[in-house]
Amino acid sequence: SQKIEQNSEALNIQEGKTATLTCNYTNYSPAYLQWYRQDPGRGPVFLLLIRENEKEKRKERLKVTFDTTLKQSLFHITASQPADSATYLCALSGGSYIPTFGRGTSLIVHP
Amino acid sequence: DSGVTQTPKHLITATGQRVTLRCSPRSGDLSVYWYQQSLDQGLQFLIQYYNGEERAKGNILERFSAQQFPDLHSELNLSSLELGDSALYFCASSPSGLAEGADTQYFGPGTRLTVL
Repeated sequence: SQKIEQNSEALNIQEGKTATLTCNYTNYSPAYLQWYRQDPGRGPVFLLLIRENEKEKRKERLKVTFDTTLKQSLFHITASQPADSATYLCALSGGSYIPTFGRGTSLIVHP
Repeated sequence: DSGVTQTPKHLITATGQRVTLRCSPRSGDLSVYWYQQSLDQGLQFLIQYYNGEERAKGNILERFSAQQFPDLHSELNLSSLELGDSALYFCASSPSGLAEGADTQYFGPGTRLTVL
């Protein structure tokens, strides 16, 4: 069955460092991969979308890579700030068009 | 603020009861999605409507049903409620839903359902 894996352990980093979050998937050939940010008790907020034929996408301090051979996406936040502390979800879609979300990784940026 | 509204914000009810959750999409968005999020399951896709028609179905129980009305707002009906139905229910909208997964989804603030 299709499976999306995100690190369930929280990622703790110091302010100013680069945070890197991982999304791995199996038994899936998504055409699109999206990253969302979710704060406690609130709805997810869209950050970036990357297509299967794109290797990298950037937006301000955010960068996403998509390796369809490794079946992996990396999400980077450079010059991280305490305000970046949240849970980050990856989502796969395309083909069957049923959006599938990972369970998310919590990022904690310490001042 | 995403522009998607959901009511009510909180709902407490008893097992066996029926509730209706309401969602108004962003102005101009034609697609509405419903998700369930619980601590042990993560964000689970339930169903999608596009311009009044059902477009995709996920892990939605038979006790649950949804519809999208001509003014594009949507309702999710949950019946014969069980303790395990306690969760956050999110609605999201997107401009078209026709780009086979490339649409950005805008999520509402959610309805927290507690079944006692």
